[in-house]
Amino acid sequence: TQLLEQSPQFLSIQEGENLTVYCNSSSVFSSLQWYRQEPGEGPVLLVTVVTGGEVKKLKRLTFQFGDARKDSSLHITAAQPGDTGLYLCAGAPPNTGNQFYFGTGTSLTVIP
Amino acid sequence: DAGVIQSPRHEVTEMGQEVTLRCKPISGHDYLFWYRQTMMRGLELLIYFNNNVPIDDSGMPEDRFSAKMPNASFSTLKIQPSEPRDSAVYFCASRPSSGVYNEQFFGPGTRLTVL
Repeated sequence: TQLLEQSPQFLSIQEGENLTVYCNSSSVFSSLQWYRQEPGEGPVLLVTVVTGGEVKKLKRLTFQFGDARKDSSLHITAAQPGDTGLYLCAGAPPNTGNQFYFGTGTSLTVIP
Repeated sequence: DAGVIQSPRHEVTEMGQEVTLRCKPISGHDYLFWYRQTMMRGLELLIYFNNNVPIDDSGMPEDRFSAKMPNASFSTLKIQPSEPRDSAVYFCASRPSSGVYNEQFFGPGTRLTVL
């Protein structure tokens, strides 16, 4: 059973385009994280959101946590080839402390 | 700091053989996590330790898998006997107990292929 569903699974776009990837669940999370993973490496944390409706910006990346804390989105403006990678969301159910459940990921390719 | 160190980076073995994966967490980190990543199932938590003590091993797929943390700077994940379906990338991650929002620092992973 996959707690977190990510869409799309694969995305290939031209440099300069905008894109949004989604992370959805029927479960409530106390916090949600987004990671980026490059080939041959481990995931690297981009952001953590903890409040329903929260929006965080990291340069050209905008992260939003749903009001009900069940879903999240990542929007990239003017994508660059350096944004290429696997984007993973990870949610922590309430009262589970350190256990994060990861989504299956969105593989993004930005073509120069 | 060198970050989380994993060895070997690649392992190819035959079905039935014992496999041992190694991890050195970041110094001062109290938590250590073992994950497995496959295309079909994504990134799955296998087990995690706090202060060298296993806290939750409910993600360990079966008795063929075992993990130990004999001290704060070393952990192993052992598969005995290995099977082709164990082929995956295995990640170790660590984090400090005082970290903000439970940020985990991942190692580069060990790519395991069981023939």
